[in-house]
Amino acid sequence: KQEVTQIPAALSVPEGENLVLNCSFTDSAIYNLQWFRQDPGKGLTSLLLIQSSQREQTSGRLNASLDKSSGRSTLYIAASQPGDSATYLCAVKGGQNFVFGPGTRLSVLP
Amino acid sequence: GAVVSQHPSRVICKSGTSVKIECRSLDFQATTMFWYRQFPKQSLMLMATSNEGSKATYEQGVEKDKFLINHASLTLSTLTVTSAHPEDSSFYICSASDRLYEQYFGPGTRLTVT
Repeated sequence: KQEVTQIPAALSVPEGENLVLNCSFTDSAIYNLQWFRQDPGKGLTSLLLIQSSQREQTSGRLNASLDKSSGRSTLYIAASQPGDSATYLCAVKGGQNFVFGPGTRLSVLP
Repeated sequence: GAVVSQHPSRVICKSGTSVKIECRSLDFQATTMFWYRQFPKQSLMLMATSNEGSKATYEQGVEKDKFLINHASLTLSTLTVTSAHPEDSSFYICSASDRLYEQYFGPGTRLTVT
């Protein structure tokens, strides 16, 4: 059974810092991995989708990498801003559905 | 991009009543729809998977008689929480998958049972 973990559980940084969020999964047989953002009481916003054959994806200040063999993905956020404060979820897709990690709660202080 | 809507966005109901949540794919045909539940400060947990015109497949521990799922068309799935109790209060999120197996998430429904 696939299990997804995320480290750290929570993170508080001053504005402008570069930061890394980590995601680990136990079963490397995945189709893709996706990073989402969730604001309090809201749904999911897709940030980056990495197919199993890819090693990284970039969108603006965000960069996500995937090392399928070691079961790891990282989300790099450059020059963090207060508007980046949210919970970041990673999810892996092995079959039809996603298995979500517990999330990292990020606070970027002005 | 593909859009999935949910209705209502928030609902408050009394204990013992039933409540229906709709999930619609607005601009694509969803061969499969998924229902997730999220308790406060926890991650999303898959409740069930439904394919159009067939019975839903429920995850272990999810009562199929309590959480009725209907996927009557390629654009609509409904989740009915029957005889709701306060412990059913949660954030319910649906997602819909197109023929390319891309999955798109709805905005969620906050259910509060008093």
